[in-house]
Amino acid sequence: GEDVEQSLFLSVREGDSSVINCTYTDSSSTYLYWYKQEPGAGLQLLTYIFSNMDMKQDQRLTVLLNKKDKHLSLRIADTQTGDSAIYFCAERGNNDMRFGAGTRLTVKP
Amino acid sequence: DGGITQSPKYLFRKEGQNVTLSCEQNLNHDAMYWYRQDPGQGLRLIYYSQIVNDFQKGDIAEGYSVSREKKESFPLTVTSAQKNPTAFYLCASRDYASTDTQYFGPGTRLTVL
Repeated sequence: GEDVEQSLFLSVREGDSSVINCTYTDSSSTYLYWYKQEPGAGLQLLTYIFSNMDMKQDQRLTVLLNKKDKHLSLRIADTQTGDSAIYFCAERGNNDMRFGAGTRLTVKP
Repeated sequence: DGGITQSPKYLFRKEGQNVTLSCEQNLNHDAMYWYRQDPGQGLRLIYYSQIVNDFQKGDIAEGYSVSREKKESFPLTVTSAQKNPTAFYLCASRDYASTDTQYFGPGTRLTVL
């Protein structure tokens, strides 16, 4: 199984908030990341959070980190159709980065 | 423009042929990575290199080979020994200096005919 776990699908209406959840396993991870992948493209870094932070806000994006529960979430406010994509949670390992399987976000008009 | 380039974007191969996927970066990053992505799945690490002339196997290295003769370049060869090579291949480089982030290229879609 995956070390980093995410639900596979999320569907929201345009204008609503989206919340994508992730659980990770390595409590020593210094950074945790969210990436966005559009169809046929590479992964685009959306945001990251340092492990000593609880929250980070960047325009419409809010990242929450609960280290006790090893839980990371990404909230997208006022979700738009252009936000439809696959979102990957990732944690920094020793030599590489470990990724979840990705959450496919569908935004309905 | 600084970034990571991969070529070609689409690649078709006949069974039994080796093919080489190109990955170049001008970000001055020491470490580079190759991942494979299959539909509905996350990324699986094939090979990585932390420094020129050195590379390590990842989780699914069988049937693949790499070289790292220059800092900027990390080509991946998919050999005929790879049983199921049809997939989307992503190259990344790592920025140790600031947020220890990996940046990705646009990917190469390989299809075996």
